[in-house]
Amino acid sequence: EVQLVESGGGLVQPGRSLRLSCAASGFTFEDYAMHWVRQAPGKGLEWVSGISWNGGSTGYADSVKGRFTISRDNAKNSLYVQMNSLRAEDTALYYCARGNTYGIRGYVDLWGRGTLVTVSA
Amino acid sequence: QSALTQPASVSGSPGQSITISCTGTSSDIGSYNLVSWYQQHPGKAPKLMIYEGSNRPSGVSNRFSGSESGNTASLTISGLQAEDEANYYCSSYTSSSTVVFGGGTKLTVL
Repeated sequence: EVQLVESGGGLVQPGRSLRLSCAASGFTFEDYAMHWVRQAPGKGLEWVSGISWNGGSTGYADSVKGRFTISRDNAKNSLYVQMNSLRAEDTALYYCARGNTYGIRGYVDLWGRGTLVTVSA
Repeated sequence: QSALTQPASVSGSPGQSITISCTGTSSDIGSYNLVSWYQQHPGKAPKLMIYEGSNRPSGVSNRFSGSESGNTASLTISGLQAEDEANYYCSSYTSSSTVVFGGGTKLTVL
């Protein structure tokens, strides 16, 4: 079955760090760009970051640039995002999402169910 | 990286057609034929409905169609059905090598 499963979410204090993971299965992971998209409670979708098939190209939303780092391990079929200096406004459901092609430029054609990150003292 | 502009809500009766607009700039929609549309029901992950402006993925009803003109994209749903009630988001690649979503539109089927 083609699927993406996120993990690593939880409650974290402001200023602390958290690392999210996404396990991909059912498709050739290294053939696709990957993205993180988040959704704050009751709010809309916000693109967070994307990474090309080989990790050679990455992109970040201004709201997380300098604090979040996206990475991938094609040997482990896994996507990651290291989130540092977390703020209350980072509280959201974080979706792992597959791009339709090698680069970040395409659209998302597969979504995980999300992992919830809550930043609060 | 300003969000694409969508109406907050639209509504229609069963059988009718509705159109949701998505307005961007020459740095996103206007530069790339890469607008996609997503449907999201409450508590569910988004689902791709239209890609590259006007293409429908396999399995998506032909009641859904998309178009682009200049800096604006549109999603049209014809023959509205109760199950179409959901939130809809547009998205585009940008000249900053990032992706931007619209604020979302809540569709109510009356």
